[in-house]
Amino acid sequence: QTVVTQEPSLTVSPGGTVTLTCASSTGAVTSAHYPNWFQQKPGQAPRTLIYRTSNKHSWTPARFSGSLLGGKAALTLSGVQPEDEADYYCLLYYGGSHPWVFGGGTKLTVL
Amino acid sequence: QVQLEESGGGVAQPGRSLRLSCTTSGFVFSSYVIHWVRQAPGRGLEWVAAVWNYEYYADSVKDRFTVSRDNSKSTLYLQMNSLTAEDTAVYHCVREKPGGEYDYWGQGTLVTVSS
Repeated sequence: QTVVTQEPSLTVSPGGTVTLTCASSTGAVTSAHYPNWFQQKPGQAPRTLIYRTSNKHSWTPARFSGSLLGGKAALTLSGVQPEDEADYYCLLYYGGSHPWVFGGGTKLTVL
Repeated sequence: QVQLEESGGGVAQPGRSLRLSCTTSGFVFSSYVIHWVRQAPGRGLEWVAAVWNYEYYADSVKDRFTVSRDNSKSTLYLQMNSLTAEDTAVYHCVREKPGGEYDYWGQGTLVTVSS
């Protein structure tokens, strides 16, 4: 069974920079996994931030960026704002009959 | 504007069935994949199912859930049979432009499986 692993929790200071990562149990994450990143705040539906590794939607704040880093997908927040405190999830594509797998999520605290 | 709205949630006894609907508007439904994603209370997101050329299921729901779509009604369905307590979750539908471009989510519908 494929497992996608994220840091369970991270803490960052306002104005700081933090990188969240997304690793695959099958090996290096590549662009063929079509990494997507989602933000979820308490009581709200998830919101898509990044698609296909590094592409932003019109609503994605400029301080969010996606990349591949050291065999993992990465989400970097630069100039973190208090409202960025949320849970963040990555999603990877594997094809076959069970094509999509979410990571366990990272709880980001801005403190 | 793009909208996705889930309905059909509620309380079901273990072993019973429910059918969820995801009604969409504001885009050409047949040009997109619509997925079901669920979130159990206090837990993370779990991809559940989608239908495009084929039906795709997570192992946890395979052989119990059936996903279908009616392009004429711009609606996605999830028929959930043999429900267990582990199926208790908020079920969201989310749109994907084929090729890995996820974008819009619905607000979700709560399914509670309890005797």
